[in-house]
Amino acid sequence: GIQVEQSPPDLILQEGANSTLRCNFSDSVNNLQWFHQNPWGQLINLFYIPSGTKQNGRLSATTVATERYSLLYISSSQTTDSGVYFCGPMDSNYQLIWGAGTKLIIKP
Amino acid sequence: GAGVSQSPSNKVTEKGKDVELRCDPISGHTALYWYRQSLGQGLEFLIYFQGNSAPDKSGLPSDRFSAERTGGSVSTLTIQRTQQEDSAVYLCASSLTQAQPQHFGDGTRLSIL
Repeated sequence: GIQVEQSPPDLILQEGANSTLRCNFSDSVNNLQWFHQNPWGQLINLFYIPSGTKQNGRLSATTVATERYSLLYISSSQTTDSGVYFCGPMDSNYQLIWGAGTKLIIKP
Repeated sequence: GAGVSQSPSNKVTEKGKDVELRCDPISGHTALYWYRQSLGQGLEFLIYFQGNSAPDKSGLPSDRFSAERTGGSVSTLTIQRTQQEDSAVYLCASSLTQAQPQHFGDGTRLSIL
């Protein structure tokens, strides 16, 4: 099956900093989602991005399917950005294959 | 509804008891998914429904776990003879079709004493 690797596993930043989170996957995928799980456990859908670049406020994502990776950019970090960021490529059966996540802590 | 609704939000029960977890998906979403997340871990796929049928039950950890979906809407995940290792957050997601983005409920936190 598809293997998903997210990096870095942990990231601690000061408020206002920018960050790049990476998701590598081992095989071709039908699609890919990025999620944010906040400290209360809620999973929020950030992007649905099979290829190309999308932006939503301070967040943007880029997927290069041919090279089997996706990047999530967070600019001007805020403490509310803290939590775990998961990427989930979809396999040939449209099942989400979950990475282990990047735990992000934004310090005030 | 406006979002995926799960109930109860918390459930504490004794080992050996049966539990039922409920998921009410977003109206019109044909695909429904159940996942499990243990403390500090990623998500573990359990089962997927397309309409009322479950083409993929591969993630159910044992025969103590079962799920059904009726009317193409509400789904119930049942765990019989609960064990302590069943303690986790059980998350439900729905999507318009299988290929569309998944939207998650807030989960049910299950604690087995």
